[in-house]
Amino acid sequence: NAGVTQTPKFQVLKTGQSMTLQCAQDMNHEYMSWYRQDPGMGLRLIHYSVGAGITDQGEVPNGYNVSRSTTEDFPLRLLSAAPSQTSVYFCASSKTGEGYTFGSGTRLTVV
Amino acid sequence: GENVEQHPSTLSVQEGDSAVIKCTYSDSASNYFPWYKQELGKRPQLIIDIRSNVGEKKDQRIAVTLNKTAKHFSLHITETQPEDSAVYFCAAIYNSGGYQKVTFGTGTKLQVIP
Repeated sequence: NAGVTQTPKFQVLKTGQSMTLQCAQDMNHEYMSWYRQDPGMGLRLIHYSVGAGITDQGEVPNGYNVSRSTTEDFPLRLLSAAPSQTSVYFCASSKTGEGYTFGSGTRLTVV
Repeated sequence: GENVEQHPSTLSVQEGDSAVIKCTYSDSASNYFPWYKQELGKRPQLIIDIRSNVGEKKDQRIAVTLNKTAKHFSLHITETQPEDSAVYFCAAIYNSGGYQKVTFGTGTKLQVIP
């Protein structure tokens, strides 16, 4: 098992650009989520999904879209990047009622 | 909704001493409580967890205790070592019928002084 795979690991965007952060898991986990972590801060939930075709907003969803067309993939789209979206983004997955497996993170800088 | 408070926010201990981190949750329906360790620049990793039908769980030098009545759970690390230095996050999870709600604490930065 590869676990949770995130790409890219690093990305620099200009303000206003859009991009998609990829997340894939091969553990047949139902639950997938995206978090952002600002320096020295905790984890804030952006969006989550309890299964293919089902997504919902977390604590800080503005400026981000998600979709879950398959069990394995849960991409996060930044619609129009802003400097406030500079952060480290973690994708995580789990079986319902189990602990998360986190991806290695994407370090995003918006200039 | 659920609210998880985690204390202390920073903790310094001498190598070999014990460290205790405490989390308090608000929703009595939460039924699963994992702990994560995040080393600098790395991803959070699950280190131990406990379910609501258990009062204590141990794994070598780490243990977690749960008091459902008081709605708090704690991480205990004994014989601390420099490699225990990291940020630790607790979480309270409610899951039922395929629905899951995860709430993280704000994290505790543990420094183990050699």
